Order: sequence, then C-alpha cells, then structure tokens
Amino acid sequence: NFILTQPHSVSESPGKTVTISCTGSSGSIANNYVQWYQQRPGSAPTTVIYEDNQRPSGVPDRFSGSIDRSSDSASLTISGLKTEDEADYYCQSYGSSNQRVFGGGTKLTVL
Amino acid sequence: EVQLVESGGGLVKPGGSLRLSCAVSGFSVNTYNLNWVRQAPGKGLEWVAFISSSGLYIFYEDSVKGRFTISRDHAKNSLSLQMDSLRAEDTGVYYCATENPWNWGQGTLVTVSS
Repeated sequence: NFILTQPHSVSESPGKTVTISCTGSSGSIANNYVQWYQQRPGSAPTTVIYEDNQRPSGVPDRFSGSIDRSSDSASLTISGLKTEDEADYYCQSYGSSNQRVFGGGTKLTVL
Repeated sequence: EVQLVESGGGLVKPGGSLRLSCAVSGFSVNTYNLNWVRQAPGKGLEWVAFISSSGLYIFYEDSVKGRFTISRDHAKNSLSLQMDSLRAEDTGVYYCATENPWNWGQGTLVTVSS
C-alpha cells in the first residue's frame, strides 16, 4: 500500500517561513499530482495547493508547493507566517490502484 | 459557486445501515469526479470512495469494500453513500468532495455505537 509520510508537528514564529514535507513510500509522488489541504480546528478542509504547485483563487501567494522527484517528496512552504495559518495540513496523492491517499497530517503552530 | 452540503449522519448501532447524501449546487454531479472522505475523532483524513464524472469508474478503500456503495442521483443532483454492516471504526465526520479541483463540504457526523 502507498503511504505518504508527514512530520507530526512543526512550529515557527510569525513572519518566518516554514516548510512541511510529504514523502511517498513507493515512487508515486514523482508520477502523480499532489494536493495540500488546510484544516483549522472544528472546520472542514480547504485546498491551498493543487496539482503540485497551483493555488486556488483566494489563497495568498505566501503558500507554495513543490516536488522533488529525486527524493519522491513534496513540500508545502508558507512564508510570512501569520497566526491565522495555525492549522493542520494534509498532503494527498494517488496510489497505484486508483486509491486517493492522504498523509497523516502536520500540526502547524505559529508562536 | 460550487457548494456541497452533506446530510444523513447520526447514531447507529453496530451492524446497522445509514445513507449519506451530498447535495451539490453550482455544477452538475456529472461534471467532476467525486469522493467521500472521512475523519475519525481526533484523527487524520481518510479517503473512502470515488466515482468518476462519467460514472464508469468506482473505487473503494479496502476496509469498506462490500459494505459501502457510492452513487449519484442526476435528478436530485446529489451524491450518496450507502453504508451497511457498520462498525465502530466507521465513526467519524464524512465529507463529500469534488476532485480537480478539490472542493469540500462541511461534513456530517456518523457515530456507530451500541
């Protein structure tokens, strides 16, 4: 089974930059799009990055996505951190049997 | 504007059944691929089921195969998830979501408990 691994938690200060990684277990990240979702406490997820590095309208350009095919990993970078960015972040991609696969989630603390 | 509104959640005993609905607006249900995703209390997101925009392709997460059925109702412009033989581990908030782009509903809570 295809697995996406994320750090359990990250923390950074307001105004700084943070990067959240998402590593695939079997080479699929290099061959499939990756999405990133933000979920604030008590709320539904929202999409912040789709198709590796595209931002939906309304998502600030402080959010960016990238892929490193050599390490089969994806990254979400948030610059100019704001307290409102504090949330759980999930990566998502696709397995070999058409499964949609989510990473375990990363809790971002802005302190 | 794309909107998805889930309903049908509630408390059900182990072994029971429940049918979730997702009313969509701003698009037709045969425009996008559609998914059900769930989240157990305090846990992460877990994909449950997929139906393609054409309706020709349907996929399920292994633990729900044979118990859950995803379908679309064109007349009602809605997505459904029929859940049978429910287990305690099926407890959680169930979200419907479009794919490409991923738009999410607000979720409906399913609790499986005796």
